[in-house]
Amino acid sequence: NAGVTQTPKFQVLKTGQSMTLQCAQDMNHEYMSWYRQDPGMGLRLIHYSVGAGITDQGEVPNGYNVSRSTTEDFPLRLLSAAPSQTSVYFCASSYSYFRAAGDTGELFFGEGSRLTVL
Amino acid sequence: GESVGLHLPTLSVQEGDNSIINCAYSNSASDYFIWYKQESGKGPQFIIDIRSNMDKRQGQRVTVLLNKTVKHLSLQIAATQPGDSAVYFCAENNPHTGNQFYFGTGTSLTVIP
Repeated sequence: NAGVTQTPKFQVLKTGQSMTLQCAQDMNHEYMSWYRQDPGMGLRLIHYSVGAGITDQGEVPNGYNVSRSTTEDFPLRLLSAAPSQTSVYFCASSYSYFRAAGDTGELFFGEGSRLTVL
Repeated sequence: GESVGLHLPTLSVQEGDNSIINCAYSNSASDYFIWYKQESGKGPQFIIDIRSNMDKRQGQRVTVLLNKTVKHLSLQIAATQPGDSAVYFCAENNPHTGNQFYFGTGTSLTVIP
């Protein structure tokens, strides 16, 4: 069971370039999300999806686009990279967005993608 | 807005001692909390959770305490081992935001052999 798989693990971009961070999960999770992690800032939610075809903004969505065409995949797109987007990005999934009684809200994280924008 | 903070950014303990990592939260509506462990170069991993109808929950070598009066929770690690060296995050959730969690800034725990 692979869990949550992120690619690439490392990427260097020049300002203005575009790229897509890939995320796939094989646990049939409804909920998927992207976080960025910066020193001293903890993890901040960028975008999330509660199911195929449904996405919404998190805390820091500007400069990022997402789509969810399948249950398994949730790519994060940077259309015009900026140095402020230098960060470590984590994809995370959980069984459901709606926390039923007795469920753990546990998020399963990928290993991260380290992005540097020059 | 919500804020989740940690009292100490770094903590060093001797192997075999107990560790206590603290976390404060500000949203009184938060009713569910998770502690995550993040090892270097990896994603966070679930350690233990607690709901607001509990004051204490125990796992294997870990205990989480929740004090709703002062909006504080702590993670206690018994007999700390070198493999416990990592960054520890608390995350809070409230019933109005589905499965969205707000994470603290993290505490780096170093275990001295």
